[in-house]
Amino acid sequence: EADIYQTPRYLVIGTGKKITLECSQTMGHDKMYWYQQDPGMELHLIHYSYGVNSTEKGDLSSESTVSRIRTEHFPLTLESARPSHTSQYLCASSEYRRGTYNEQFFGPGTRLTVL
Amino acid sequence: RKEVEQDPGPFNVPEGATVAFNCTYSNSASQSFFWYRQDCRKEPKLLMSVYSSGNEDGRFTAQLNRASQYISLLIRDSKLSDSATYLCVVDSWGKLQFGAGTQVVVTP
Repeated sequence: EADIYQTPRYLVIGTGKKITLECSQTMGHDKMYWYQQDPGMELHLIHYSYGVNSTEKGDLSSESTVSRIRTEHFPLTLESARPSHTSQYLCASSEYRRGTYNEQFFGPGTRLTVL
Repeated sequence: RKEVEQDPGPFNVPEGATVAFNCTYSNSASQSFFWYRQDCRKEPKLLMSVYSSGNEDGRFTAQLNRASQYISLLIRDSKLSDSATYLCVVDSWGKLQFGAGTQVVVTP
């Protein structure tokens, strides 16, 4: 089992609220990712990080922001939640081995509903 | 055009039968290939890596065809527990690109 955790698992919140989705991993992986996935649809990379103090935007434009102050922690923040942000958010991590980032380990996800 | 394309299915498979499906990728420089499995409303989990010479893990066989830029997954002796969405994943310029998945439904 992967040692990557996400909280909360489920969140129902009103429009305009600020929220932070937590993600932590205890594997010492340097690279971490946030994906967004709607039911039955593909994963979309929204943010990633190569290590501490590194953050990059992914392929899908997102109004969220991320930070990487500690290796093990990669929180995602929405300053003002909207119904269009309703989705599942998956955090993942990987390590650099043999010239490539190999297997990504996923957390259980946060299912966000914005009313 | 998407970087990784998969037939969404569903592939309806009788228990005990064999099912196979492909995935095509657009970046000819891709070096690493994987199959992930995702159960309904769960996170993806690595099923197997795909090596150039093809590889087998129990009832699962993965093949890579670099010339035609596709990878395949074959499941033998399907079990009910094999029902899931199978995601094709390709390392493209250092980032993993996920396909939308192929749904497999194994029926009794």
